[in-house]
Amino acid sequence: GQNIDQPTEMTATEGAIVQINCTYQTSGFNGLFWYQQHAGEAPTFLSYNVLDGLEEKGRFSSFLSRSKGYSYLLLKELQMKDSASYLCAVMDSNYQLIWGAGTKLIIKP
Amino acid sequence: IAGITQAPTSQILAAGRRMTLRCTQDMRHNAMYWYRQDLGLGLRLIHYSNTAGTTGKGEVPDGYSVSRANTDDFPLTLASAVPSQTSVYFCASSDSTSGTQYFGPGTRLTVL
Repeated sequence: GQNIDQPTEMTATEGAIVQINCTYQTSGFNGLFWYQQHAGEAPTFLSYNVLDGLEEKGRFSSFLSRSKGYSYLLLKELQMKDSASYLCAVMDSNYQLIWGAGTKLIIKP
Repeated sequence: IAGITQAPTSQILAAGRRMTLRCTQDMRHNAMYWYRQDLGLGLRLIHYSNTAGTTGKGEVPDGYSVSRANTDDFPLTLASAVPSQTSVYFCASSDSTSGTQYFGPGTRLTVL
């Protein structure tokens, strides 16, 4: 079966760095996406990785290792507004997105 | 219209009633999707459409139907609502180059 695993909840301090991990087992791989979802709102696109390595976009970076079925989202200089759920999704061989259940990130002052 | 809109924002529905959730996009994306999101389960695909005139079943299609008469609109119909269909429903469309999906604001549906 297809499976995306990510931690249910994480807590971090304002100004710090946090890494949210995602492991996957899917039928085929056509890219991995990270989305941010604030409570009561829609998911919004953060990053897309299809090749191994690190993609940096401001305070956020995303890493992919296809051989390990592993990705992480790195958030630096955490701000209170970063409190949200972070969703990992993999595009399978049918070009459908398979979604993880999301990681709720709590930022403390 | 900018992006994707959904209507209604929220709805309380009696079990057995018929309900159509509306979704419209103005980005000329070919592909559109309907998801439901329940606490602890993540997003689950109900139905999708790769292009106008075609539709397909996702992971949880039972009790739902869709149509795609044109590029912009992708309504989702619950023929006879049941309490287990209480959920938040998101419509999305995707860019055909990377497959990145963009989401509407969601419809919160409660079936009593």
